[in-house]
Amino acid sequence: DQQVKQNSPSLSVQEGRISILNCDYTNSMFDYFLWYKKYPAEGPTFLISISSIKDKNEDGRFTVFLNKSAKHLSLHIVPSQPGDSAVYFCAASAGGYQKVTFGTGTKLQVIP
Amino acid sequence: GAGVSQSPSNKVTEKGKDVELRCDPISGHTALYWYRQSLGQGLEFLIYFQGNSAPDKSGLPSDRFSAERTGGSVSTLTIQRTQQEDSAVYLCASSLDPAANTGELFFGEGSRLTVL
Repeated sequence: DQQVKQNSPSLSVQEGRISILNCDYTNSMFDYFLWYKKYPAEGPTFLISISSIKDKNEDGRFTVFLNKSAKHLSLHIVPSQPGDSAVYFCAASAGGYQKVTFGTGTKLQVIP
Repeated sequence: GAGVSQSPSNKVTEKGKDVELRCDPISGHTALYWYRQSLGQGLEFLIYFQGNSAPDKSGLPSDRFSAERTGGSVSTLTIQRTQQEDSAVYLCASSLDPAANTGELFFGEGSRLTVL
């Protein structure tokens, strides 16, 4: 049972444009959501997170939006840069319990 | 070291052999996790340690897989009688005290296991 789903395995975006990566979840107990970025041959690194009490969190070029009623979150990158090319994982955890559940990832390619 | 350290970085073994993968977490991180990523797949949770105990080992695929953590620090993931489907990148992560944690994990670079 895939509790965190990223339905788009890949995405290509022109440099300077907006990248939108989507994620859906099924477990209503999740109350903290994270995005990780992974380059080849490296471990994932934390990018940005959002608590379920918020619907938006912004950090520079990266913004995460949470729609709890739809159990959907998205990561916006604007403007996209070639160095953003990586696999992005959506992840979620339930308060007080530290198992972090990851999605299958979306490979973003930013074309110069 | 400053980050999570994993060894070996690459391991090629024959089907049926046992392998041990090691993880050295960030100093002071009480929580430690093992995940694996098979080719074309996402990150699959294996086991979580809080200190030396494992409150959640629900992700271990079979009884051929085991893990231990000693001294609240180094962890070893052991796979017995390896099978070809065990081929994957095994990722270790650590985090601060879960009571204060919001789920941010710090990952190592992984151990790539290939079973021939």
